[in-house]
Amino acid sequence: EAQVTQNPRYLITVTGKKLTVTCSQNMNHEYMSWYRQDPGLGLRQIYYSMNVEVTDKGDVPEGYKVSRKEKRNFPLILESPSPNQTSLYFCASTQAGNAYNEQFFGPGTRLTVL
Amino acid sequence: DQQVKQNSPSLSVQEGRISILNCDYTNSMFDYFLWYKKYPAEGPTFLISISSIKDKNEDGRFTVFLNKSAKHLSLHIVPSQPGDSAVYFCAASAQNNDMRFGAGTRLTVKP
Repeated sequence: EAQVTQNPRYLITVTGKKLTVTCSQNMNHEYMSWYRQDPGLGLRQIYYSMNVEVTDKGDVPEGYKVSRKEKRNFPLILESPSPNQTSLYFCASTQAGNAYNEQFFGPGTRLTVL
Repeated sequence: DQQVKQNSPSLSVQEGRISILNCDYTNSMFDYFLWYKKYPAEGPTFLISISSIKDKNEDGRFTVFLNKSAKHLSLHIVPSQPGDSAVYFCAASAQNNDMRFGAGTRLTVKP
């Protein structure tokens, strides 16, 4: 089954404790991205990757890091989480490396930073 | 700076009637528009899209209309069904891979 998986689905952590949210897709997509969803703001792009070893900032990259060492994986790293990073996070992927194609989204990771 | 706006946070309609969800955008560089549907505890799923060279695209019960001069698009669902109850996100994309989403509209279809 074609899918985007994220782990963990739920996470409660404390300020400053480094964490990683994993994202994996099995569709051989070149383009992957991370979004956060906040009430009244919709989905905002954090980082995206056009292909392996190619990443770029989205609208709200501050406080986040990403890496793309393999085509299927695109982890999101919070080196020192803060309460304003409490949010619902979605990973997405699409073919052909451009945002014209509809993106396939993972199920989401709800993060709470205390 | 929200370049894509969905001004109605919620909409309630009766089963069988038409649902109309609206979306406005400010960036004239956007040339491709998409609608996503999101159920609770799931990620958004693609619903329908339209290119700026068209003014209408239809897929079954779903039709998207684009008015470029007004920078406005709308999603029509006819007839609405209870299973359509979800949050709908409008998204706009430009050739530089910049995709922006609206804040979403929660649609409730009452039996």
